[in-house]
Amino acid sequence: KQEVTQIPAALSVPEGENLVLNCSFTDSAIYNLQWFRQDPGKGLTSLLLIQSSQREQTSGRLNASLDKSSGRSTLYIAASQPGDSATYLCAARSTDSWGKLQFGAGTQVVVTP
Amino acid sequence: EAQVTQNPRYLITVTGKKLTVTCSQNMNHEYMSWYRQDPGLGLRQIYYSMNVEVTDKGDVPEGYKVSRKEKRNFPLILESPSPNQTSLYFCASATGSSAYGYTFGSGTRLTVV
Repeated sequence: KQEVTQIPAALSVPEGENLVLNCSFTDSAIYNLQWFRQDPGKGLTSLLLIQSSQREQTSGRLNASLDKSSGRSTLYIAASQPGDSATYLCAARSTDSWGKLQFGAGTQVVVTP
Repeated sequence: EAQVTQNPRYLITVTGKKLTVTCSQNMNHEYMSWYRQDPGLGLRQIYYSMNVEVTDKGDVPEGYKVSRKEKRNFPLILESPSPNQTSLYFCASATGSSAYGYTFGSGTRLTVV
């Protein structure tokens, strides 16, 4: 069974600093991995998706990497802004369980002005 | 606009009174799924469906029912709600291609008193 872990659970950085969010997964048979953002009490906004055959994906200030051999994905957010404050979730979809998205517990990020 | 639509957004009900939360997607996605989100427990899958008339249990299916009679709709039924089903519920859909991720609805906040 796929297990997804996100460390740290919470992170506070001053505005302008780069953010590094970590995601670990136990089953390397990844179909794809998705990063989401969630504001308090709100829905999930998809940020980036990395397919199994890819090593990284970029969108604006966001870059996500995938290393299946080590069971890790990292989300980088460059030049953080107060508007980046949110909870970031990673979720893995495994090849033997296409219907299921296994979520990590999330990293709560606060960017202080 | 491609989207997953859940209704209602907010619902307060009493113990034992049957309710249905509707979910509809307009992207012709094969996969649909229901998740619940609780503080400290994260997002957990309730049920999922790989296609019409094909459904399967997720991690926390007790107390819930689903049906997939049409490709676009995947309602969640609570036949006898209890207070421990108070939660934030999300419906999501995806295609079978690894190039695309899950799209989530805006959520339904359910309170059972």
